[in-house]
Amino acid sequence: GAGVSQSPSNKVTEKGKDVELRCDPISGHTALYWYRQSLGQGLEFLIYFQGNSAPDKSGLPSDRFSAERTGGSVSTLTIQRTQQEDSAVYLCASSPTGELFFGEGSRLTVL
Amino acid sequence: KQEVTQIPAALSVPEGENLVLNCSFTDSAIYNLQWFRQDPGKGLTSLLLIQSSQREQTSGRLNASLDKSSGRSTLYIAASQPGDSATYLCAVRPVGGTSYGKLTFGQGTILTVHP
Repeated sequence: GAGVSQSPSNKVTEKGKDVELRCDPISGHTALYWYRQSLGQGLEFLIYFQGNSAPDKSGLPSDRFSAERTGGSVSTLTIQRTQQEDSAVYLCASSPTGELFFGEGSRLTVL
Repeated sequence: KQEVTQIPAALSVPEGENLVLNCSFTDSAIYNLQWFRQDPGKGLTSLLLIQSSQREQTSGRLNASLDKSSGRSTLYIAASQPGDSATYLCAVRPVGGTSYGKLTFGQGTILTVHP
């Protein structure tokens, strides 16, 4: 497809389990972003990848969160030992220059 | 630390009205400002991007202005329609450097246009 693709669209997991969220950016977009949107909260920056540069990980809330981007394309956000406060919609965006294009998000529910 | 505020938090108008959504930011050192809409349960859709050197951008019935020195942007929607009902978000990108990727978003304005 032409847009940013995220999977899974919905994920329900038990507290303490690990989860992986995937993002396929728009082809040719060099920048990739992960944001988190919690109920009643604004969008919270998590991590930013730009080309081959070291990612800006300053928004990751704890060391349980990690992300990688393979081959400058697909990105995976991993949350280890999930907690209930991790429940949120995780949004991925890509950008060719300055304008961001978002995916539909992955809704994570931790029971 | 950049803070972005959107006023009003919610707005309900009859179809056909022209309306203005406001976005203010505390740090004028921005690279650009982007307006998005978000439908319930969906991702964000880009509406308009204004570079820091620009004063306004237009797309169809939408017009966004930027006054960087006063830390304000407005989104003007002409002849509103029920299909415009959504949450509207603004986001500012800082100037280059290590923070370039950290856009700061406002909390959004929930717009309802009723027939």
